[in-house]
Amino acid sequence: QKEVEQDPGPLSVPEGAIVSLNCTYSNSAFQYFMWYRQYSRKGPELLMYTYSSGNKEDGRFTAQVDKSSKYISLFIRDSQPSDSATYLCAMKRVNTGFQKLVFGTGTRLLVSP
Amino acid sequence: NAGVTQTPKFQVLKTGQSMTLQCAQDMNHNSMYWYRQDPGMGLRLIYYSASEGTTDKGEVPNGYNVSRLNKREFSLRLESAAPSQTSVYFCASSEGQSMGELFFGEGSRLTVL
Repeated sequence: QKEVEQDPGPLSVPEGAIVSLNCTYSNSAFQYFMWYRQYSRKGPELLMYTYSSGNKEDGRFTAQVDKSSKYISLFIRDSQPSDSATYLCAMKRVNTGFQKLVFGTGTRLLVSP
Repeated sequence: NAGVTQTPKFQVLKTGQSMTLQCAQDMNHNSMYWYRQDPGMGLRLIYYSASEGTTDKGEVPNGYNVSRLNKREFSLRLESAAPSQTSVYFCASSEGQSMGELFFGEGSRLTVL
């Protein structure tokens, strides 16, 4: 069993839809959670990171952590065709280095006009 | 601001050939990393350098060597390429080792025939 599980998709939605992207994890010590967006043939770019539980909002994006369920989510409101990309979750313990960062395999999102 | 620059972007090798992937960052970051990305496997750490003058193995170091040439540059060498090393390679950097953001380059696509 992988430490971090992520549905590969693709997830296809119409423009303007609310998108929910999710990851589950098995290591209860993980408290530092990151979401990356990766366009085709490009490197990942950070969308946001959060500590422990709760929500964090940045524009149309909201990251949510449910530590009791070992489940994290990224919500995209008013989705746009430019949001079409692969979304990677990543996580680690707070006091460990990035060399301990564990990535999900990514979910491919397609937003149609 | 270039960020993290990788060269070459594409390379085709024959089994047994050697090559070096170059990475440079202009953000004055202390830590640098080499990842490979394969379908269904996510990003896996090959080697990292927590600071200038140090290098350490990651999850999948076999068949690779690295050199932290100076604070800006971190190279990845394949001494005798194998088809299993066909992948997309990403270099990344971070200011600190455990907090903040991991910045990625655009990737180097390597095919070993």
